[in-house]
Amino acid sequence: DTEVTQTPKHLVMGMTNKKSLKCEQHMGHRAMYWYKQKAKKPPELMFVYSYEKLSINESVPSRFSPECPNSSLLNLHLHALQPEDSALYLCASSQQGGKSSYNEQFFGPGTRLTVL
Amino acid sequence: AQKVTQAQTEISVVEKEDVTLDCVYETRDTTYYLFWYKQPPSGELVFLIRRNSFDEQNEISGRYSWNFQKSTSSFNFTITASQVVDSAVYFCALSDAGGTSYGKLTFGQGTILTVHP
Repeated sequence: DTEVTQTPKHLVMGMTNKKSLKCEQHMGHRAMYWYKQKAKKPPELMFVYSYEKLSINESVPSRFSPECPNSSLLNLHLHALQPEDSALYLCASSQQGGKSSYNEQFFGPGTRLTVL
Repeated sequence: AQKVTQAQTEISVVEKEDVTLDCVYETRDTTYYLFWYKQPPSGELVFLIRRNSFDEQNEISGRYSWNFQKSTSSFNFTITASQVVDSAVYFCALSDAGGTSYGKLTFGQGTILTVHP
């Protein structure tokens, strides 16, 4: 089962709202990722969790707050977003290979976020 | 620093034509990984292939084939007898093998492939 699930599929929120994006995988992968993708652009890495520990934060504004409650779940808490934060948010997971390397990432279907 | 270049922004072909998507990469690492992903209009990135830097064997999977050449730092992707369902954005990506990068991917800008019936 090479499936990563994300909810919700679509989200519309105002600039004062608080919402959360959820990601789940049951492949036993120990690395999970959040990406942001604008139209006609490649995905941009936001955060990486490895063994439930935040390992990379690509200087993401604090209005985005990641959380990894357990090895299968990854959340992205959103607060006071701006219209320019409207994008496709993708979650991915990967299995750690040998010698601390990481294998291919498997992506979820994404959440299309619109900030009004 | 790593860099991936996909010089072809958009390609348009007619069904059953063969099409090659180019990918050129730059890295100072001696051990690295190369990937191709497909992103159909639905949005999900679908993993197609991973190639390790020490394995220069070409690979064929059905109508898909990949040509990895370290001498020219290229990892090209060919679709034989293209079909309408192949229409998507295709991304080439690179990651190093070091543990501190946690598999971070450097993506190319993507190539939009449109296959017309």
